[in-house]
Amino acid sequence: EEQLVESGGDLVQPGGSLRLSCAASGFTFSPYWMNWVRQAPGEGLVWVSRINSDESSTNYADSVKGRFTISRDNAKNTVYLQMNSLRAEDTAVYYCARGAFSEGLDDWGQGTLVTVSS
Amino acid sequence: QSVLTQPPSVSAAPGQKVTISCSGSSSNIGSNYVSWYQQLPGTAPKLLIYENNKRPSGIPDRFSGSKSGTSATLGITGLQTGDEADYYCATWDNSLSAGVFGGGTKLTVL
Repeated sequence: EEQLVESGGDLVQPGGSLRLSCAASGFTFSPYWMNWVRQAPGEGLVWVSRINSDESSTNYADSVKGRFTISRDNAKNTVYLQMNSLRAEDTAVYYCARGAFSEGLDDWGQGTLVTVSS
Repeated sequence: QSVLTQPPSVSAAPGQKVTISCSGSSSNIGSNYVSWYQQLPGTAPKLLIYENNKRPSGIPDRFSGSKSGTSATLGITGLQTGDEADYYCATWDNSLSAGVFGGGTKLTVL
């Protein structure tokens, strides 16, 4: 069974850092684009970042550029999101999702909750 | 404010048909494929439509998608109470070099 499992969400103070992980299983991980998408409580989906298969291409939403870094380890079938200088407005459930937008994000994890609060 | 514009809510009776619109611009919908996602309450989003009008395996043909110019539409026929969910359109925006989602549409099956 194809599966994406996020972890690393936590309560963190403003200005703090957190690293999210998304472990893939049940499919060949390395060829796929991987994305992070977030959803603040009661709000809609917002794309955060993406990375291509060999890490040669990454993109970020303006709201996180310079603060978040996406990376991956194909040997561990895992994609990461390093989040620095966290703000209250970063509070959200963070989902990892597989695929390129051109073909649709066809597999999603269950999400991990990040809460930024003092 | 989302780059892609969707109606906040739509409603229809069981068995009826509903359409959800998604309006963008030349840099996003006008240049790229559109996908649609269903998010049932308390769950992760699920891909419903990709490449404007294709359905992944397991998605019933009650769900359809279309695109014209800078707008896209999701259609759902034979509405069921289990279709009550939030629906999102999405695509890539060439000017922003970013993925963009619509603000979401809440479907109520009366």
